[in-house]
Amino acid sequence: DIQMTQSPSTLSASVGDRVTISCRASQDISNYLHWYQQIPGRAPKLLIYAASNLQSGVPSRFSGSGSGTYFTLTISSLQPEDFATYYCQQSYNTPLTFGGGTKAQI
Amino acid sequence: EEQLVESGGGLVKPGRSLRLSCRASGFTFGDYTLTWFRQAPGQGLEWLAFHRSKAYGGSSEYAASVRGRFSISRDDSKSIAYLQMDRLRAEDTAIYYCSRDNQRLSDAFDIWGQGTVVTVSS
Repeated sequence: DIQMTQSPSTLSASVGDRVTISCRASQDISNYLHWYQQIPGRAPKLLIYAASNLQSGVPSRFSGSGSGTYFTLTISSLQPEDFATYYCQQSYNTPLTFGGGTKAQI
Repeated sequence: EEQLVESGGGLVKPGRSLRLSCRASGFTFGDYTLTWFRQAPGQGLEWLAFHRSKAYGGSSEYAASVRGRFSISRDDSKSIAYLQMDRLRAEDTAIYYCSRDNQRLSDAFDIWGQGTVVTVSS
């Protein structure tokens, strides 16, 4: 199984901050890496697909980069509605696996 | 609007069965692989199973944690997917989500249902 390791598990930030979350895969997954945002009580929402592609309707302050085993999600200027938990997920092979999540809090 | 809506959750005793449904609207259901996930209380996301579209062979795959107990199926004519859950355990307590696998987005999951809660307890 491919292990996905996110860091940090929690990040404390302020509105307007630039924040970066990292995700490392235990083996090469090319660019089969996606990022999701989950607000408490809500379903996950796709932000970035294939490592660096912004999903339709997602604000441009979100961006993704990386390939192979190391990936990052960057929020250029944190907004109040961005305080949520973020997950990376690989679709390179089964079992499909997620990182443990990064909770962004004030 | 493209949408998925789950139903069928509830309180069930250990060892019993439950069938979840996932109804799609706003898109051609049969063109997509349909996947089930769950999220235990306070925990992260866990992939459970998917059922490929006919164009991709119509086969299914399962996570080790549910293989042999859970079964996924679909009725493309009704735009519904099902998750049959047998021999339920306390550790199956979670919110269950269905989601659309979009092959055009490198198999990212772009549509999610709102989730249905399953509680396994005596």
